[in-house]
Amino acid sequence: AQTVTQSQPEMSVQEAETVTLSCTYDTSESDYYLFWYKQPPSRQMILVIRQEAYKQQNATENRFSVNFQKAAKSFSLKISDSQLGDAAMYFCAYHPGGGADGLTFGKGTHLIIQP
Amino acid sequence: DTGVSQNPRHKITKRGQNVTFRCDPISEHNRLYWYRQTLGQGPEFLTYFQNEAQLEKSRLLSDRFSAERPKGSFSTLEIQRTEQGDSAMYLCASSPRVRRSGNTIYFGEGSWLTVV
Repeated sequence: AQTVTQSQPEMSVQEAETVTLSCTYDTSESDYYLFWYKQPPSRQMILVIRQEAYKQQNATENRFSVNFQKAAKSFSLKISDSQLGDAAMYFCAYHPGGGADGLTFGKGTHLIIQP
Repeated sequence: DTGVSQNPRHKITKRGQNVTFRCDPISEHNRLYWYRQTLGQGPEFLTYFQNEAQLEKSRLLSDRFSAERPKGSFSTLEIQRTEQGDSAMYLCASSPRVRRSGNTIYFGEGSWLTVV
């Protein structure tokens, strides 16, 4: 069974600075997808960024980018120019490529933005 | 595109009562998922539908939990004989049908359940 580990329960960053959230996963599959979701206090899960395992190029969405290291099974999220609105729980998630299954989530990292 | 809609948003029930949550996915999304999230944890996958077919239900937490999607549109999640440990947020999500799995999964705002 696949597992997702987020080793940082909480991170704090100054507004406008850069922060990196860590995620590692374990799977025996070669075809899969990885996601970062943001969950603000409103509790709705919002997709931040996704990465297909077959792509070597790291995904980027505006201020958000990932460092995908397939051999190391590592998938970190970098947030540049942090904004107050980035404060939330961030969840790393894994989805198998070929099967009918749900997302496997990590326990989350609580990101605090200091003004 | 009105997003994934869940009702009710909050439910307080007495132990032993049955509760039902409804989910309306994004229109034309063939896949529908149910998750449970407890405080301080990430969402936990429960079950999954493609159209009206329930393709994965082994992760439902007990036989008190059941889900349906009778016409391949909205879905319901029922919990019978609720227990205090069932208190959690129940999330619904949907995604469009694609040949390769892993397409973007969109979540609703969740339904909070408190069992007293």
